[in-house]
Amino acid sequence: SQTIHQWPATLVQPVGSPLSLECTVEGTSNPNLYWYRQAAGRGLQLLFYSVGIGQISSEVPQNLSASRPQDRQFILSSKKLLLSDSGFYLCAWSVRGRPGTTSSGANVLTFGAGSRLTVL
Amino acid sequence: GDSVTQMEGPVTLSEEAFLTINCTYTATGYPSLFWYVQYPGEGLQLLLKATKADDKGSNKGFEATYRKETTSFHLEKGSVQVSDSAVYFCALGNYGQNFVFGPGTRLSVLP
Repeated sequence: SQTIHQWPATLVQPVGSPLSLECTVEGTSNPNLYWYRQAAGRGLQLLFYSVGIGQISSEVPQNLSASRPQDRQFILSSKKLLLSDSGFYLCAWSVRGRPGTTSSGANVLTFGAGSRLTVL
Repeated sequence: GDSVTQMEGPVTLSEEAFLTINCTYTATGYPSLFWYVQYPGEGLQLLLKATKADDKGSNKGFEATYRKETTSFHLEKGSVQVSDSAVYFCALGNYGQNFVFGPGTRLSVLP
């Protein structure tokens, strides 16, 4: 079965420090990978998605970047954190191909447990 | 583009009360519809899904029916429990596009 791991679970960082959040998926090949952010009491904001190694699409301009060095690894980074970067970061994966549907029906988005970042 | 609208709440109910969380969508084509649940401090979990009109998704006593004529996918449960307290997200997946999520509805169930 497929599993998704992300770490660290909790992180407290000072303003101006770097960030690295890591996500890995097991039990599947060539997944689509996603990074979402959830600010306190708010909904989900898609930050980045990737359909393959080295292929990153950014949904919003921001202080963050993403990389996909291996097929099942997705990394969220920042060189200098801002207070506004605080939030709950969620990694997710789906079956490769065009998102939203597959030939068999719904393409499901599966989330990791999340990483809570507090920038002080 | 595609969008999802849902009541934001918070919704507060007593245990064993009936739950309805409304969700409507705007989309081209034939999207798939989902309900996700987020328990405190955790990631989102898929609760149920429906892939075509008139499909009913169900899980853990929750149900939602894909209504194309009213572009709705309302979540219902006949008798909620304290353990159902969470945030519920309605979502849409359409061909060739990224998933679209509603703002989430916080549900609190009191004993």
